Amino acid sequence: DGGITQSPKYLFRKEGQNVTLSCEQNLNHDAMYWYRQDPGQGLRLIYYSQIVNDFQKGDIAEGYSVSREKKESFPLTVTSAQKNPTAFYLCASSIGDPTYEQYFGPGTRLTVT
Amino acid sequence: AQSVTQPDIHITVSEGASLELRCNYSYGATPYLFWYVQSPGQGLQLLLKYFSGDTLVQGIKGFEAEFKRSQSSFNLRKPSVHWSDAAEYFCAVGSGGYNKLIFGAGTRLAVHP
Repeated sequence: DGGITQSPKYLFRKEGQNVTLSCEQNLNHDAMYWYRQDPGQGLRLIYYSQIVNDFQKGDIAEGYSVSREKKESFPLTVTSAQKNPTAFYLCASSIGDPTYEQYFGPGTRLTVT
Repeated sequence: AQSVTQPDIHITVSEGASLELRCNYSYGATPYLFWYVQSPGQGLQLLLKYFSGDTLVQGIKGFEAEFKRSQSSFNLRKPSVHWSDAAEYFCAVGSGGYNKLIFGAGTRLAVHP
């Protein structure tokens, strides 16, 4: 079955700790994306990557970092510099053509206390 | 700048009633438009998309949407709503050559029996 997996589903951390969210896809998609979702604000783009070893900041990249060492994987690190890290994080992938949709993973809910 | 507006935050309909969810976009060129649905705590699933051709597009689960360039709108419709349609619905516009999506804030649909 092709798709996108995100792990874990729920993640709890103490303030001041960095945490890495996993995203893996077996759709052979070139492009991958990370979004943050907060109630009433829709989805906001954090980072995106069109090819391996290349990525660009989205609209709210401050306090986050990513890597793209493999086509299948696009992990997101939420650093201690992110002021309000508690949110629902969604990973997506696509073939990169603007007429094609993005496919989304099930999401990770991060709670920082 | 590109933007998407979903004027209705919450909508409640009775099961069997018709449904229309509004979406207005701001985009200079020909837009690529998408509707996604999200069940609580889940990822997003594509309902339908428009990028050219017939302005009335059919999607999954009995949904359709009509692109109206003169009104900058892409409203989602369903003739008869089922209880299982209760979810949050997001309109999105494709932005730029890298398949970046700009999302509206979403409309939460409740269905009364």
